Amino acid sequence: TQLLEQSPQFLSIQEGENLTVYCNSSSVFSSLQWYRQEPGEGPVLLVTVVTGGEVKKLKRLTFQFGDARKDSSLHITAAQPGDTGLYLCAATSGTYKYIFGTGTRLKVLA
Amino acid sequence: NAGVMQNPRHLVRRRGQEARLRCSPMKGHSHVYWYRQLPEEGLKFMVYLQKENIIDESGMPKERFSAEFPKEGPSILRIQQVVRGDSAAYFCASSPPGRVDGYTFGSGTRLTVV
Repeated sequence: TQLLEQSPQFLSIQEGENLTVYCNSSSVFSSLQWYRQEPGEGPVLLVTVVTGGEVKKLKRLTFQFGDARKDSSLHITAAQPGDTGLYLCAATSGTYKYIFGTGTRLKVLA
Repeated sequence: NAGVMQNPRHLVRRRGQEARLRCSPMKGHSHVYWYRQLPEEGLKFMVYLQKENIIDESGMPKERFSAEFPKEGPSILRIQQVVRGDSAAYFCASSPPGRVDGYTFGSGTRLTVV
């Protein structure tokens, strides 16, 4: 059974701080996504990474796919209260079916 | 999110009743996926449908749950004889034909069984 483990589960930081969250697995994936989910809403796709070692940037967010395509990280620079939410990674081995991690719940305090 | 429409947003059912959840995919998307999110857990795949076809229902409980995506109209996830353990958020996502590089999710239906 493929599993995606996310860490930390909870993170509370002050506005302006940097942070990194992780998504790890023992399985190799062909594609990995990061989503952000706010209370009462569905997940919103932030990025898709497909190549080992790939780095993508989205404003203050930097996403990296591990060289072996088993793990990924999300780094946020100078966090803002608007970054608060549940961050989910999701991955597939090449089909339409994605498995999701249990998420990192981030709270950024003003 | 605005593109995938789910209704109702909130649904309360008594044990033993039926729940019907609706999902209209984004314009141009012919593939629909249903996921369930239990409190404090990640999303779990339930079923993948194309118009008039169930492609993969491996994540859906064998009893009481069914899904359809008719030629006309929204996709429907139906739960018969609901139990308290069915209480969860049910999300629908859609994608165009071809390679899936990430989903567009709806806002979900929050089912509460009392």
